[in-house]
Amino acid sequence: SQTIHQWPATLVQPVGSPLSLECTVEGTSNPNLYWYRQAAGRGLQLLFYSVGIGQISSEVPQNLSASRPQDRQFILSSKKLLLSDSGFYLCAWRSANPHGYTFGSGTRLTVV
Amino acid sequence: AQSVTQPDIHITVSEGASLELRCNYSYGATPYLFWYVQSPGQGLQLLLKYFSGDTLVQGIKGFEAEFKRSQSSFNLRKPSVHWSDAAEYFCAVGNTGGFKTIFGAGTRLFVKA
Repeated sequence: SQTIHQWPATLVQPVGSPLSLECTVEGTSNPNLYWYRQAAGRGLQLLFYSVGIGQISSEVPQNLSASRPQDRQFILSSKKLLLSDSGFYLCAWRSANPHGYTFGSGTRLTVV
Repeated sequence: AQSVTQPDIHITVSEGASLELRCNYSYGATPYLFWYVQSPGQGLQLLLKYFSGDTLVQGIKGFEAEFKRSQSSFNLRKPSVHWSDAAEYFCAVGNTGGFKTIFGAGTRLFVKA
């Protein structure tokens, strides 16, 4: 069966520090991969999605970047975190339409 | 452009009462529609989806949703709510042939004893 792993679960980082969040999927090949951010009390904002290795689409210009070095690995990064980067980050995968997403358990990022 | 509206930010129902969460969407063609549930501090779990066929779809945990094209709605229902249903619920719409899904802002459900 397919599983998705996301880590770490929680992270507290100072302003200006780098960030690396990792997401891996098992049990499937060539998934569509997604990074979402959920601010407190708000809906989900799509940050990046990827349909294949090295293919990244950015939805919102910001302080973050994403990479897909392997088929089932998706990484969210920042060189210098801002206070506004705080939030709950969710990784998700999906096979072709019309299937829904399978989400990871999320990373709670607090920038201090 | 695609959009999803969940008019109710939060709803409180009594345990055992029926539930209906509203969702309206805007999309030029027949959309793919989804409902997800999120427990505090957790990821989202898919409850059900609609993409064609019978407009009344059954999901997990006793939930169902009805697609009404004339009203651009996809409301989620449950005949009898359990305390464990307290969570946040998200409606979402996906574009046919595309890669992205747009989520509503969510409705938080509170269940009182």
